[in-house]
Amino acid sequence: GAGVSQSPSNKVTEKGKDVELRCDPISGHTALYWYRQSLGQGLEFLIYFQGNSAPDKSGLPSDRFSAERTGGSVSTLTIQRTQQEDSAVYLCASSFVRDTEAFFGQGTRLTVV
Amino acid sequence: AQKVTQAQTEISVVEKEDVTLDCVYETRDTTYYLFWYKQPPSGELVFLIRRNSFDEQNEISGRYSWNFQKSTSSFNFTITASQVVDSAVYFCALSEALDSSYKLIFGSGTRLLVRP
Repeated sequence: GAGVSQSPSNKVTEKGKDVELRCDPISGHTALYWYRQSLGQGLEFLIYFQGNSAPDKSGLPSDRFSAERTGGSVSTLTIQRTQQEDSAVYLCASSFVRDTEAFFGQGTRLTVV
Repeated sequence: AQKVTQAQTEISVVEKEDVTLDCVYETRDTTYYLFWYKQPPSGELVFLIRRNSFDEQNEISGRYSWNFQKSTSSFNFTITASQVVDSAVYFCALSEALDSSYKLIFGSGTRLLVRP
């Protein structure tokens, strides 16, 4: 498709398990971002990729969170030893270069039980 | 610090009314971008507009218009003749650019309900 694609759409996991969230950006977009949206916290920046490098990881909440991007394309956000407070919608966005408009995927709704 | 304030948490209007969503921002940068996104019930954030800090011309796109005033650090969004399909949460955002970093700082959003 032409838009940003995220998978899975929904993920229910048990507390303490690891999860991987995937993002397929728009082809040719060099910049990629992860955001988290939860009730009461609004939209929080997590990490920014330029190509395969992540010059800004300042929004990752703890060392349980990590992300990588390969081939200047697909990105994976990994959450280890999930906690209930990790429950949120995780949104991925991409843009042609930084400073241009970012297009968002439909998000992954993560529920930790 | 960069900050975006959307003071209106929720607005309810009747179809065909005009409605304005307010956005006030704070930034230390001289060059920045402002954005509006729409989040319908489906959840996906839909890009509406990007405005450069040096371009203070108002913009109109169909029933949508935006008023950017640097003097008051505001970037307000008006929907003319609102429709039920306009019901959504609307987010205003501000770019924050550092040497090797770039991110959007979002406001808390305004939920718009358009009643038939």
